[in-house]
Order: sequence, then C-alpha cells, then structure tokens
Amino acid sequence: AQSVTQLGSHVSVSEGALVLLRCNYSSSVPPYLFWYVQYPNQGLQLLLKYTTGATLVKGINGFEAEFKKSETSFHLTKPSAHMSDAAEYFCAVRTFSGSARQLTFGSGTQLTVLP
Amino acid sequence: DVKVTQSSRYLVKRTGEKVFLECVQDMDHENMFWYRQDPGLGLRLIYFSYDVKMKEKGDIPEGYSVSREKKERFSLILESASTNQTSMYLCASSTRSPGPPSYEQYFGPGTRLTVT
Repeated sequence: AQSVTQLGSHVSVSEGALVLLRCNYSSSVPPYLFWYVQYPNQGLQLLLKYTTGATLVKGINGFEAEFKKSETSFHLTKPSAHMSDAAEYFCAVRTFSGSARQLTFGSGTQLTVLP
Repeated sequence: DVKVTQSSRYLVKRTGEKVFLECVQDMDHENMFWYRQDPGLGLRLIYFSYDVKMKEKGDIPEGYSVSREKKERFSLILESASTNQTSMYLCASSTRSPGPPSYEQYFGPGTRLTVT
C-alpha cells in the first residue's frame, strides 16, 4: 500500500527565510511523487513532480524538491519565502487501486509567511 | 490549459435535501474523481470514474452516489444531505494515457457545501 506523511500541519516562516515542508512516503513500487499547492478558496495546483530521472526537481514559483530513496522523503523547499507563498501544500504518491491510476494525498501543511 | 469547472463555489442546503454537485472538464480526460477535503484530514476520495457510465468507490463512498453520462461531466449526488457532509468538495480529472501523465490530476476550484 502507498501512503504519505506530512510532518507539521502548520509551518510559519518569516518573509525571506527558507521554506522547508516535509513529506515522507511509503510505496511498494517505484514512487511517483507530487506536490500540490492550494491557495485560499481555490482548488489544487500542481507545483512539481518526480517520476524518474533527476532526483532534484524544480517547480513553479521557485520551489524545488529532492527525492531521497534511502530516506523515503520528498521534502519541498524554497530559499526565500514570499508573502504570496502562504497557502496549504499537499504531498501525494501514486497509488494502484481499482481501475484508475490514483494519488494518495497527505493531510496537508498550512504555510504562514510572517512579515 | 486544462480546465475543470464546478457548478457552484458555495452551496447551502438543508438536512434531508438531495444535492447535486457538477463537474465539467474540457481536456477529454477519461478519469474523473470526487474528493472531500476536511481540515487535518487532507483529501479523501469519494468516487472515481474511468469511463462513461463506469464508476468505482473510493475510500468514503457512504452517503454519496455519482453519475457519468458524458465523458466531460461527472456528478456527485448526496441522496439525503446530512450535517456531517458539510465540507469542501473537489473534482479532478486525469488522462488514461500510459506513463506518468496518467497520475497527474487537474483540479476544479471546489464547492464549499454547508448543510444546516
């Protein structure tokens, strides 16, 4: 079975500081991993994804994530937080269930950016 | 750009009412999904559909049904709304093409449903 754990339901950083959102996964097959962002009162938007190849992946808005197989992690980082980064972030892993290829989502991390 | 639209952003219904939430996608995707989102619980899959008239239960199907009569449209039905169904409902779609793209889901803006 596949699962995702996001450590920290709420993270606060100061504007300009490093953003680090943690995601650990469990998967019985080579994982495909995703980070989605949800701005207030909106749906989810894909930030970045890892499927195969380079383990450091870059996404939109200056975010990046590194796939570390030995640590079963896919942490999301951004060197310098901006006020507009305040949102909820979801990590997801591919799942085999039923007749459609699916995603299993973590419980989310709410990022607050302090001025 | 892929576009997934949902019929309402906000909806208020009374206990016992039959509620329809509609979702339309314009990318000719085979797969469509309905999730509910609650604080601290992330996204939980209610139902998904992998083709017209085909559906499968997700993790929390109780109290819900779905309909997919056309490829672009996927409806979620609350047969008799209850207060514990107050939530944010998100629709998503994905292609069935082989490989990694088949896992990438595109989301609508969500419907915040309040049942009183």
